[in-house]
Amino acid sequence: NAGVTQTPKFRILKIGQSMTLQCAQDMNHNYMYWYRQDPGMGLKLIYYSVGAGITDKGEVPNGYNVSRSTTEDFPLRLELAAPSQTSVYFCASSYSIREEQYFGPGTRLTVT
Amino acid sequence: GQNIDQPTEMTATEGAIVQINCTYQTSGFNGLFWYQQHAGEAPTFLSYNVLDGLEEKGRFSSFLSRSKGYSYLLLKELQMKDSASYLCAVRDRGNQGGKLIFGQGTELSVKP
Repeated sequence: NAGVTQTPKFRILKIGQSMTLQCAQDMNHNYMYWYRQDPGMGLKLIYYSVGAGITDKGEVPNGYNVSRSTTEDFPLRLELAAPSQTSVYFCASSYSIREEQYFGPGTRLTVT
Repeated sequence: GQNIDQPTEMTATEGAIVQINCTYQTSGFNGLFWYQQHAGEAPTFLSYNVLDGLEEKGRFSSFLSRSKGYSYLLLKELQMKDSASYLCAVRDRGNQGGKLIFGQGTELSVKP
């Protein structure tokens, strides 16, 4: 099992550019999550999904979009990058809401 | 609303015991998680408490008091590799997605 994988590891974007952060898991987990983590801060939930075709907003969804067409993949889309979106992005998955979440290695994004 | 408080940083000596506290306020409690996060890495699961009492797992133990909105993580026989950030996260009842609300994390430094 590869667990939760994320690509890319690092990315620098110019203001106004768009990009998609990829996330995949091979554990057959139904629940998947996107978080962002700013320096010295905890994790903030952006979007989550309880299964293929079902997504919902978390605490900080503005400026982001997601889709969940398969159980394995949960991409995060930034349409018009802003400096405030400079952060480390973590994708996570869990088997159920009572189980622990497994995190991917993260994507470090800088918007200048 | 929801609020989670934990100390920003702590320092302890190799071989000693350290207790990291977490207090929380939620509209409906449905479980508390502790994660460990080394610098530049993803969070990894340490423990889960949903009922009052102590859960022991090797050198790590976690305690929960639901009536007091309080948890602590106890680390025994500290090792240098325990230097990391420790994140307290609470899941709210009625939360269909298993969403977690994270505290800002406690940065633990273990000195020789």
